Amino acid sequence: KNQVEQSPQSLIILEGKNCTLQCNYTVSPFSNLRWYKQDTGRGPVSLTIMTFSENTKSNGRYTATLDADTKQSSLHITASQLSDSASYICVVSDRGSTLGRLYFGRGTQLTVWP
Amino acid sequence: EADIYQTPRYLVIGTGKKITLECSQTMGHDKMYWYQQDPGMELHLIHYSYGVNSTEKGDLSSESTVSRIRTEHFPLTLESARPSHTSQYLCASSVARGPSTDTQYFGPGTRLTVL
Repeated sequence: KNQVEQSPQSLIILEGKNCTLQCNYTVSPFSNLRWYKQDTGRGPVSLTIMTFSENTKSNGRYTATLDADTKQSSLHITASQLSDSASYICVVSDRGSTLGRLYFGRGTQLTVWP
Repeated sequence: EADIYQTPRYLVIGTGKKITLECSQTMGHDKMYWYQQDPGMELHLIHYSYGVNSTEKGDLSSESTVSRIRTEHFPLTLESARPSHTSQYLCASSVARGPSTDTQYFGPGTRLTVL
């Protein structure tokens, strides 16, 4: 069964600290993996997208890694800011159809305290 | 910031009422989607469209219906709202370049509460 599991479910850190969010997936055949940021009451916004051949991709203070062999990804946030408080969703796409079926994780709720 | 809009942002309505959730995008995207999301849970695809006059049901069974008469407009309708329909509804769109580069842009969502 194609699934996307994220950990931890929630995380609280102090402003300025770093953190790493995890994503494990069983989606096959794999096409790409995206990390989205979803602010409370808003729609998700894409942070990074990685295909099978990419190991790491950065977007400002966000760095995503992908290990396609172990089917794991991580999102590292450097020097956290209060505005980083949000839910971070891992989304994996398969190559099984022209739609590019998306499988969503439940997200990690990150709270950054001052 | 993506140019995709949803109205209303919040809706509280009584059981049995007919409602239409509006979604529009100004990016000329071919593909559009409706997702349902409950608090702390993953997004579930309920409807999608490849283009004008194309609509398909998603993975999660839904009593709602959609239409795609214009490229930019993808409304969702519930003929008779029930408390079980209480949820957040997210609309998204993407350019049909192919699944490996097909990033979806999401609207702000409609928070629906059925009493």
